[in-house]
Amino acid sequence: AQSVTQLGSHVSVSEGALVLLRCNYSSSVPPYLFWYVQYPNQGLQLLLKYTTGATLVKGINGFEAEFKKSETSFHLTKPSAHMSDAAEYFCAVRNNNNNDMRFGAGTRLTVKP
Amino acid sequence: DTEVTQTPKHLVMGMTNKKSLKCEQHMGHRAMYWYKQKAKKPPELMFVYSYEKLSINESVPSRFSPECPNSSLLNLHLHALQPEDSALYLCASSQDPSGKTQYFGPGTRLLVL
Repeated sequence: AQSVTQLGSHVSVSEGALVLLRCNYSSSVPPYLFWYVQYPNQGLQLLLKYTTGATLVKGINGFEAEFKKSETSFHLTKPSAHMSDAAEYFCAVRNNNNNDMRFGAGTRLTVKP
Repeated sequence: DTEVTQTPKHLVMGMTNKKSLKCEQHMGHRAMYWYKQKAKKPPELMFVYSYEKLSINESVPSRFSPECPNSSLLNLHLHALQPEDSALYLCASSQDPSGKTQYFGPGTRLLVL
C-alpha cells in the first residue's frame, strides 16, 4: 500500500522568502502525486499533480514540485512567499491501479511580514 | 468548471437527530467520495461510489449511511451520531474510478452535541 510522509508539521517563512515543503512517498507501483492546499474553514484545493511525463510540474499561485523517483520525493516549492500562502498543505499519493488516495499529515505554512 | 458543491456549510445536531449532507457535481464525473477530516488532521476516506454503486466502505459505523441517487448527487445520511463524529465532512469527485485527480468540495462542518 502507498503512503506519504510530510517532514515538518509546521513551516514558518518570511514574506518574500523561499517556500519548501517536503513530501516523501512509498509506493510499490508508479504513483500519482498531488499537492492540495486548505485555507482555514475551507475544503481542499488542488495545487498541482504529477501523473506521467515531465517531472517538474507547475501549479497555481506560483507553486511547483519535482518528482524525484530516486529519492521518492515530491517536494513543493515557491520562490517568494506571499502572506496569502499561509494555509495547510497536504501531499497525497495514489496508485495508478486503484482510486485509494492517501494523504500526508499536512504541513501548516505560516508567512511572517 | 471543476466545482463540487456541498450543503449545508455548517450543521449542529443532537445525538438523537437525523440529518443529511448533500454533495453535487456537474462535471460528468462517475466516481464520488466522502471523507472525514478532524481538526489538524488529514482527510480520511469513508466511502467511494463508482458509477452510482458503493465500491469502498472503509469500515465506517452504520450511523453513517451513504446514498448516490444519480451520477451528480451524493448524500450522507446521519443518525444517532456521537460527539466524536464532529468533524469537517468533505465530498470529492473524479472522472471515473481510475480518474487521476479528485476535486473537493468546501465541506460541511458538523458539530454533534
